[in-house]
Order: sequence, then structure tokens, then C-alpha cells
Amino acid sequence: EPEVTQTPSHQVTQMGQEVILRCVPISNHLYFYWYRQILGQKVEFLVSFYNNEISEKSEIFDDQFSVERPDGSNFTLKIRSTKLEDSAMYFCASSPGGADQPQHFGDGTRLSIL
Amino acid sequence: QKEVEQNSGPLSVPEGAIASLNCTYSDRGSQSFFWYRQYSGKSPELIMFIYSNGDKEDGRFTAQLNKASQYVSLLIRDSQPSDSATYLCAVISNAGNMLTFGGGTRLMVKP
Repeated sequence: EPEVTQTPSHQVTQMGQEVILRCVPISNHLYFYWYRQILGQKVEFLVSFYNNEISEKSEIFDDQFSVERPDGSNFTLKIRSTKLEDSAMYFCASSPGGADQPQHFGDGTRLSIL
Repeated sequence: QKEVEQNSGPLSVPEGAIASLNCTYSDRGSQSFFWYRQYSGKSPELIMFIYSNGDKEDGRFTAQLNKASQYVSLLIRDSQPSDSATYLCAVISNAGNMLTFGGGTRLMVKP
């Protein structure tokens, strides 16, 4: 069964550094998402991406964050000048269509900011 | 503020019993409803989705939706120890395609 794949599985970064999290969505899916989950808290929406542009973003997704689809398969989340509170699990998801289609999640990247 | 509420649990049921998990949501414009299972340290795994009032069955799982009461539930029949996990309710409003998650209910199935 097709899967969303994420790399790396664990990223350790010094505060203030930039980090790029990578995702390969399911190949025939059109919508891509990033969510995060701080330890012990709810899964929170960050951003959705469709047709090579951001379609929705949350208040969390400020100027520190950016997303890109650099080629036909990868979808990346860049976090500039990381802060301690950015430590979380970051999940990429994809869906074949819009709001009526289930979103399938990757295994996540655990980001630890020191 | 769109809220999705779940009892955090733990909900403890014996093996073979029916587990009933409940979820309420605040946004009347919500149109799509999803149940995910999350094992500790893992990612959410899609279990069921439902769009219309009533019941939807898939194997041992039944999702129930009551839009008038803004209430979604998940029934797990013949519960197994491997069903022990946190179950996340998530909704999408008619304003977009982002999932709003509840905090999850931790289910423990005891052998």
C-alpha cells in the first residue's frame, strides 16, 4: 500500500539553526499538509499546499516557516532560526483531494532543539 | 474557535468487549469526520471516516455521526489487546481542508 515517507526520523539541531524536514507524499495525491505534535499535546495543523501554493495556514505557521515542492515528488518544511519550543513531532500528510478525502500521515520526524 | 473534545481516559475494557469512544465538536459547519489511531510515539493511522448522519461499519469498527447533536462516536467490537492505543477524533469544516484534532482518548484493552 502506498505510504507517505518522511526523512529524517529524528533531527537534533542547535537553537537558532535552520532545519529542513522532507516528505514524499503518496504519488497520485494532490493535497499536502504539515502538522506538528508537541509531546503530550494535540496534533496541530500547520499548513496545506495545493497546486504549488499554500492553500491554508494556521497562526503557528509564521514567517519562521516555509514550505516548498522542489520537484515532482518531494515536499519540504523549512524552519528558520529554530527555538526550543519548536521541539515536536512533525507529521507530513497527503490526500487525493480536498476536504472530503482522508489524509494519510507519514511516520513523522522528531525534531529536538537543544 | 473550532474545538474538538474527547474524554482523555483511560477507557479500560476487557478483551472481547465493545469499546465506545466519543467526540463532540463545536463548529456546526464541520462536514467530514475522521477517527485515527495513534500508538505511543507513532503517527496517526486512519481508522474510519464518515460524512453523513447515521452509522458506517467497517469490520469491527462502526462510526456514528449525529450532526444535530454535533457528536461523533467510534465503536470497536470484540476489542483486542492490540487495539490499546490513543484514538483521535478529527474534523474538517466547510471552510477549508485542515484537520482539527481532539486530544484523544486512551483505550486499554485488558486480556
